[in-house]
Amino acid sequence: GDSVTQMEGPVTLSEEAFLTINCTYTATGYPSLFWYVQYPGEGLQLLLKATKADDKGSNKGFEATYRKETTSFHLEKGSVQVSDSAVYFCALSDRPGNTGKLIFGQGTTLQVKP
Amino acid sequence: ETGVTQTPRHLVMGMTNKKSLKCEQHLGHNAMYWYKQSAKKPLELMFVYSLEERVENNSVPSRFSPECPNSSHLFLHLHTLQPEDSALYLCASSQVRNSGANVLTFGAGSRLTVL
Repeated sequence: GDSVTQMEGPVTLSEEAFLTINCTYTATGYPSLFWYVQYPGEGLQLLLKATKADDKGSNKGFEATYRKETTSFHLEKGSVQVSDSAVYFCALSDRPGNTGKLIFGQGTTLQVKP
Repeated sequence: ETGVTQTPRHLVMGMTNKKSLKCEQHLGHNAMYWYKQSAKKPLELMFVYSLEERVENNSVPSRFSPECPNSSHLFLHLHTLQPEDSALYLCASSQVRNSGANVLTFGAGSRLTVL
């Protein structure tokens, strides 16, 4: 079945460092891809998404490009802040018109130190 | 109230208790979901309701019983749980369409501890 694999965490960076969190997927068809973020004590919030190959999703300085040839959707940010400390989840969608469910990776914890 | 609201935020129960988790969405969405979040594991999809009809049940033990009385409300009834059921239970909703990306909006979760 469809699945998502993320790099193990935690990832610990200093403020203003470059961030990459790797995500690869296995799916039949052409799913949409997502990054969600979870801050302490909160639910998941959509960070960015991409719906087809070579699409780039971006938001709040974060970017991810849908790479069909490598089945990847790596999350990047050029300069992280302490406020970016959270758990990041990569996910792929069910095909349009079906249940709409998302399949998530295990999450990667990011800790940014001042 | 806006978005997706879950109550209670925290719940402690014994293995013989019966309790319920409640989820309410104020977004006019047509689908609702229960996910289980345990430490160091991917989010596990438990149930999906589309237009108030259960369309997916991912081999969840019968001690978890969902209910969707209308498109805005979703419940998870709990009875005779086990300590390994302790987790964060997340509710989400979405507007399922025939095209485009399906974005889920999540509630803040209900933290369940089973003693």
